[in-house]
Amino acid sequence: AQKITQTQPGMFVQEKEAVTLDCTYDTSDPSYGLFWYKQPSSGEMIFLIYQGSYDQQNATEGRYSLNFQKARKSANLVISASQLGDSAMYFCAMRVDNQGGKLIFGQGTELSVKP
Amino acid sequence: EAGVAQSPRYKIIEKRQSVAFWCNPISGHATLYWYQQILGQGPKLLIQFQNNGVVDDSQLPKDRFSAERLKGVDSTLKIQPAKLEDSAVYLCASRGPYEQYFGPGTRLTVT
Repeated sequence: AQKITQTQPGMFVQEKEAVTLDCTYDTSDPSYGLFWYKQPSSGEMIFLIYQGSYDQQNATEGRYSLNFQKARKSANLVISASQLGDSAMYFCAMRVDNQGGKLIFGQGTELSVKP
Repeated sequence: EAGVAQSPRYKIIEKRQSVAFWCNPISGHATLYWYQQILGQGPKLLIQFQNNGVVDDSQLPKDRFSAERLKGVDSTLKIQPAKLEDSAVYLCASRGPYEQYFGPGTRLTVT
């Protein structure tokens, strides 16, 4: 069965420092995509970054990078130079390509950035 | 381009009442999803449409939940009758080339 695991319910980071949010996944399908979404207290889900299972390079989008380790089935999100506005819930999600494109989400990690 | 629209943003009802949520996806997006997000959890898929056909409704409690997508554009999700455990945020999303784009959600409180 497909599953996403986020083992850090909450994280603190000092402003301007980097932080890594952990995500492990489980699937036996060879074709899948991994996503990170940010959910501020206002509730909307904001897409951050995407990694395809066949992508050779780790994805990067501005201050966000995805540390994709396929053999370990991990897809950790790295946020560099944290800002106060980064405080939010962060969800890791997986799309299995032969299942219609639905997303399977983890439980989320609440990130708090300290000034 | 306009994002995914949802209404209402908030709804409070008593148990056993009925409620309906509306979603308008991004123009041209054929695939539409409804997710339920209970407080403290990640979103869980309720139903997926491809144009106006249902692709996956395996997690939809069909005794009380129903959904339709008229003409392959707008969609409505209905709960009748509501239970206390239906209190959640209901998120609508439509699919782009890679990612899903989410609407702002409807926060439902059942008292």
